[in-house]
Amino acid sequence: NAGVTQTPKFQVLKTGQSMTLQCAQDMNHEYMSWYRQDPGMGLRLIHYSVGAGITDQGEVPNGYNVSRSTTEDFPLRLLSAAPSQTSVYFCASSWKGDVYGYTFGSGTRLTVV
Amino acid sequence: GQQLNQSPQSMFIQEGEDVSMNCTSSSIFNTWLWYKQDPGEGPVLLIALYKAGELTSNGRLTAQFGITRKDSFLNISASIPSDVGIYFCAGPNYGGSQGNLIFGKGTKLSVKP
Repeated sequence: NAGVTQTPKFQVLKTGQSMTLQCAQDMNHEYMSWYRQDPGMGLRLIHYSVGAGITDQGEVPNGYNVSRSTTEDFPLRLLSAAPSQTSVYFCASSWKGDVYGYTFGSGTRLTVV
Repeated sequence: GQQLNQSPQSMFIQEGEDVSMNCTSSSIFNTWLWYKQDPGEGPVLLIALYKAGELTSNGRLTAQFGITRKDSFLNISASIPSDVGIYFCAGPNYGGSQGNLIFGKGTKLSVKP
C-alpha cells in the first residue's frame, strides 16, 4: 500500500514556466488537498477536493489550478511560475469517515528562479 | 478568520526530559489534531481529539482537548532523539468545505543526546 505518492520530489523552474505536480493515492480516499509549507508559516491550503469532479479554493489559490477527474489523482498546475511560489508542496488525502485524519505525501520541493 | 497559535516556536531539550507545547485558537473547535513532521517528510497524524476535556495517549505522547474548546496541549515524556521534528496542531476550517484543516505554524523540537 503506497499511500500518497507525490512526484517529482525536487524541481527547479524558471520564472514563467509551467509545470504540474502530481499526486496519487491508492486508498480510495474521497478527500484530497494541496498545501504549501513556507518557513515560519506552517501549512496553508491551496486547493481542495471532496470527490471526483469537485474542487474548491483554499487560503492561497492564486497562481494554481487543479482538477479531479479520478478518485486517485489530484494534480496541481502552475501556469506561469513565479519566485513567490518557491515552497514545499504537500498533497494529502482522507476518507469521508475520518475527514480530518489526513495522510500526507512526502512533498515536492519547488524552486523558481 | 480562524487562527491557531502554537507555543513555543522552538525548543531545545536534553534527551530524557519531558516536553510540553500548546495550541490556542481564536474560536471554538470541536476537533483538535496533532501532527509530527520529520525532516524531509510530510506530517504524520499523532493524536486526534474529539471531546472537550478529552485526554488521549499514544505511547509517550499525551494530548488534551481544553475545556474551553479553544486550546489543546501535547506532552512528550522522556524524550528521545527520534522525537526531533516539527509538531503541528490543526483544527477544522469552518469557513471552508468539510474536511478542510487549518494548521498552526508549528513547534520545532530539537533533542540533545
